[in-house]
Amino acid sequence: AQSVTQLDSQVPVFEEAPVELRCNYSSSVSVYLFWYVQYPNQGLQLLLKYLSGSTLVKGINGFEAEFNKSQTSFHLRKPSVHISDTAEYFCAVSEGVMVFGAGTILRVKS
Amino acid sequence: DGGITQSPKYLFRKEGQNVTLSCEQNLNHDAMYWYRQDPGQGLRLIYYSQIVNDFQKGDIAEGYSVSREKKESFPLTVTSAQKNPTAFYLCASSIMGSGANVLTFGAGSRLTVL
Repeated sequence: AQSVTQLDSQVPVFEEAPVELRCNYSSSVSVYLFWYVQYPNQGLQLLLKYLSGSTLVKGINGFEAEFNKSQTSFHLRKPSVHISDTAEYFCAVSEGVMVFGAGTILRVKS
Repeated sequence: DGGITQSPKYLFRKEGQNVTLSCEQNLNHDAMYWYRQDPGQGLRLIYYSQIVNDFQKGDIAEGYSVSREKKESFPLTVTSAQKNPTAFYLCASSIMGSGANVLTFGAGSRLTVL
């Protein structure tokens, strides 16, 4: 069965600093991996996805993620965060129906 | 613009009452989903449907019911049998129910039991 573990429930970071949000997954077959962002009291928006091909995936708002099959990881990174990046971020894996991690709240401080 | 409309955005319910959350999409997507979100638990799948007049239980279907009479609509009923219904409910859709397809989400409905 597929599952997702987000290793940090909250990540505080200062504005313009780099950030990494960690995600590990388990799956019995080839996987499709996703990162979504959720702003307060809103639905989820897709940041980026890995389906196949290059292991480095670029998404919207300057985010990128790297698929590492040997470590079963799909960590999300941004080299310089802004206040507006404050939100909750969800890693997800899909073999058919999408399964989400518990979420990581990114708090960007000025 | 195409998208998913959930209503109502906020809903209050007394214990023992059934309530129905609406989800309508105009994206011509085949598959539709209901997720429940609680703080610190991520999103958990309640029900999903890949075709009209057919749906499958997710991980936490107990106390919920759905119908899929039209491709565009996938309402969720929270019954009195759901022991802890206070949560944020998210409806989503995708082109087809395969793993590579991205979910498009509605803005959510927040249910509070008084």
